[in-house]
Amino acid sequence: DAGVIQSPRHEVTEMGQEVTLRCKPISGHDYLFWYRQTMMRGLELLIYFNNNVPIDDSGMPEDRFSAKMPNASFSTLKIQPSEPRDSAVYFCASSPDRGLPEQYFGPGTRLTVT
Amino acid sequence: AQSVSQHNHHVILSEAASLELGCNYSYGGTVNLFWYVQYPGQHLQLLLKYFSGDPLVKGIKGFEAEFIKSKFSFNLRKPSVQWSDTAEYFCAVNTGGFKTIFGAGTRLFVKA
Repeated sequence: DAGVIQSPRHEVTEMGQEVTLRCKPISGHDYLFWYRQTMMRGLELLIYFNNNVPIDDSGMPEDRFSAKMPNASFSTLKIQPSEPRDSAVYFCASSPDRGLPEQYFGPGTRLTVT
Repeated sequence: AQSVSQHNHHVILSEAASLELGCNYSYGGTVNLFWYVQYPGQHLQLLLKYFSGDPLVKGIKGFEAEFIKSKFSFNLRKPSVQWSDTAEYFCAVNTGGFKTIFGAGTRLFVKA
């Protein structure tokens, strides 16, 4: 199994630009999570999906952030417009629906907004 | 609201020293508990987990953790650390459903 796949691995963009992060969960996993990791705030859950439906988006910082999961094998996290304070590592994780909530993390996308 | 506290933000040890990282959570009901490890430049990986049964859980690479319900704790231990254990360690708690709360992390540096 290839594991959770994220792209790009690194993204550098200018303030005001739109940024789209992509995630492919492990095949057969019904849950998908987006996290943000910063030195100041640690690992924060932004949003998670079950069977492509957003379940809890209470961690999404503000309206500039949006996430979609159009099918079971693909999700995007979009920031528009981006700001320097959005600089962080964004992780995607997935989990199988077998009643066991352990999560499998992707390699992350390191976002730098200048 | 549920929360997870990791008492040490940074720990420095010499090789062969014993390790114990503290983790406490605030929730009175049934919990699922995890320790994840993040090696430098890598993603988080599951180190060990507790769902039920024996409160002493053994994980990969010689790590173990003990769930003490009365203390709301799930401390991570290793008898003898190696330089390759240098990483950040996250305690995580799940109280039902699939939302998991992570602690702030403890950065461990092992001196060779």
